[in-house]
Amino acid sequence: GDSVTQTEGPVTVSESESLIINCTYSATSIAYPNLFWYVRYPGEGLQLLLKVITAGQKGSSRGFEATYNKETTSFHLQKASVQESDSAVYYCALGDQGYQNFYFGKGTSLTVIP
Amino acid sequence: GGIITQTPKFLIGQEGQKLTLKCQQNFNHDTMYWYRQDSGKGLRLIYYSITENDLQKGDLSEGYDASREKKSSFSLTVTSAQKNEMAVFLCASSIRSSGNTLYFGEGSRLIVV
Repeated sequence: GDSVTQTEGPVTVSESESLIINCTYSATSIAYPNLFWYVRYPGEGLQLLLKVITAGQKGSSRGFEATYNKETTSFHLQKASVQESDSAVYYCALGDQGYQNFYFGKGTSLTVIP
Repeated sequence: GGIITQTPKFLIGQEGQKLTLKCQQNFNHDTMYWYRQDSGKGLRLIYYSITENDLQKGDLSEGYDASREKKSSFSLTVTSAQKNEMAVFLCASSIRSSGNTLYFGEGSRLIVV
């Protein structure tokens, strides 16, 4: 089936350390998967962080990067140096070009310690 | 920019009661969605609608009804509230030209007493 698996939280890192949140997907019924990272900051709604709709491409936003790797079916989220303001819950998601379902991971809660 | 407004933020009802959540968007998006989020789990699709008066069932539609009478609004009814379905309900909208990016409301929490 179609699904997303991501790093189980909570994850705690110190400010200025590097971060990687793993995400792998299974897209058996989706011909052209689109991949997304959404984020929920404390007190705010869920919002798009970055997306990539073409295999092999990289998306970036707010210092975060993720590369769509079709061979390893992965879309890991990375940041070289995290800030306290990055503390949030991060969701990896899989979708397609149509009006169909999006598949979300369970979310990874990140706390950055100053 | 636009906004998605969900009402109410907290919905408290009794077991067996019919309860309705409302969602309004001013993005002029065609597609709207209702997701349910349980603690420690990902979002699961309840219903979506690709245009006014259209309804499509998601993986979790049993026990719910939905209504899309206008392009800008999408409501979700819990037909008989149960204590094991206390969760956060998220409304979202999307337009195909944006790569199907979802735009979310802030969520409505259902509490069943």
